[in-house]
Amino acid sequence: NAGVTQTPKFRILKIGQSMTLQCAQDMNHNYMYWYRQDPGMGLKLIYYSVGAGITDKGEVPNGYNVSRSTTEDFPLRLELAAPSQTSVYFCASSPSNSPLHFGNGTRLTVT
Amino acid sequence: AQKITQTQPGMFVQEKEAVTLDCTYDTSDQSYGLFWYKQPSSGEMIFLIYQGSYDEQNATEGRYSLNFQKARKSANLVISASQLGDSAMYFCAMREGQTGRRALTFGSGTRLQVQP
Repeated sequence: NAGVTQTPKFRILKIGQSMTLQCAQDMNHNYMYWYRQDPGMGLKLIYYSVGAGITDKGEVPNGYNVSRSTTEDFPLRLELAAPSQTSVYFCASSPSNSPLHFGNGTRLTVT
Repeated sequence: AQKITQTQPGMFVQEKEAVTLDCTYDTSDQSYGLFWYKQPSSGEMIFLIYQGSYDEQNATEGRYSLNFQKARKSANLVISASQLGDSAMYFCAMREGQTGRRALTFGSGTRLQVQP
């Protein structure tokens, strides 16, 4: 049972580059989320999705985009990477009112 | 205003003793849920315990219990008989009932260090 799988685990980007963080879940959860965690801080919501084809902004969406073409996948796109986007990114999923299941995170450095 | 406040950036506890990690929350919803997650140094987020706003009894999961005081809007985590493996960051989080997104709002965390 894989749960929530995030790739890559680590990535270094140069300023202005773009990349996609992949997230897949095999639990048939409708709800999926992207959070970022800056050093020594809690998690902040970037984007979320309540089902395939439906996405919406969280607290800190600027500089990011998402899509949800299937129930399983919820990729996060970074366009024109900036040093402020250096962070650990967590993808999570849940059924309606259950706890979130988290992936192991992607550590991104923008230099 | 902060939705979730954790006022203890760091805590120390002796092995085998109990420790309480504080969490206060702010919401105008009647229906909400409170969660605690553990983040060890390896970085993964591990769900520990959940308390619903309508639950009359405090939640317990093994050595973890949640001291829920609704009138004070507090949801403190109590870890009994601390173990060295309990050393980690602990996050309190809330899901508010009136939003459709079901996302959690997290506090800034408390770093717990268990000393032998």
